[in-house]
Amino acid sequence: AQKITQTQPGMFVQEKEAVTLDCTYDTSDQSYGLFWYKQPSSGEMIFLIYQGSYDEQNATEGRYSLNFQKARKSANLVISASQLGDSAMYFCAMREPISSGSARQLTFGSGTQLTVLP
Amino acid sequence: DAGITQSPRHKVTETGTPVTLRCHQTENHRYMYWYRQDPGHGLRLIHYSYGVKDTDKGEVSDGYSVSRSKTEDFLLTLESATSSQTSVYFCATFAGDNYEQYFGPGTRLTVT
Repeated sequence: AQKITQTQPGMFVQEKEAVTLDCTYDTSDQSYGLFWYKQPSSGEMIFLIYQGSYDEQNATEGRYSLNFQKARKSANLVISASQLGDSAMYFCAMREPISSGSARQLTFGSGTQLTVLP
Repeated sequence: DAGITQSPRHKVTETGTPVTLRCHQTENHRYMYWYRQDPGHGLRLIHYSYGVKDTDKGEVSDGYSVSRSKTEDFLLTLESATSSQTSVYFCATFAGDNYEQYFGPGTRLTVT
């Protein structure tokens, strides 16, 4: 069974600084996908970034990058130049292989509440 | 945005009453999911569907049933609501041929 662990229930960062949100995962599959979602106070789930387990380069999307360390089973989210609008809950998630005949659902961590300070 | 709507968006109901939540999508995605979100747990899978009339249980399915009679609609039913089912419910869809899972706006359900 897959498991996602986010050990930081809350984080604070100064505006314009970079912040790293930790995510470790556990799976016996060789092929999998890793995701980060943002959930602002309004409640919607916003997709941020995706990393495939066979992708050799770390994924980047604007100010978001995913620090993927496969051997350590970690997939940390790095937000550069934090903005006040980045204050939100952030979820790490994993999908099992599409070829497995499974539900293809996402398994989520418990989330990290990020607060950006002015 | 996969054109996912959920109804109702907010509902307050009493213990023991039946409740049905609706998820509607416009993108013809094959897979549909119901998750619940509770503090400290992230999102957990309740039920999912991999086609019309094809459904299966997820991690926290007790007390819930689902139906999918059309590709675009996925219904979640609480046969007899309990206070432990107070939660935010998210519907999601997945086309199956790329990686992104799309989420609806959520339904906040309170069982008193």
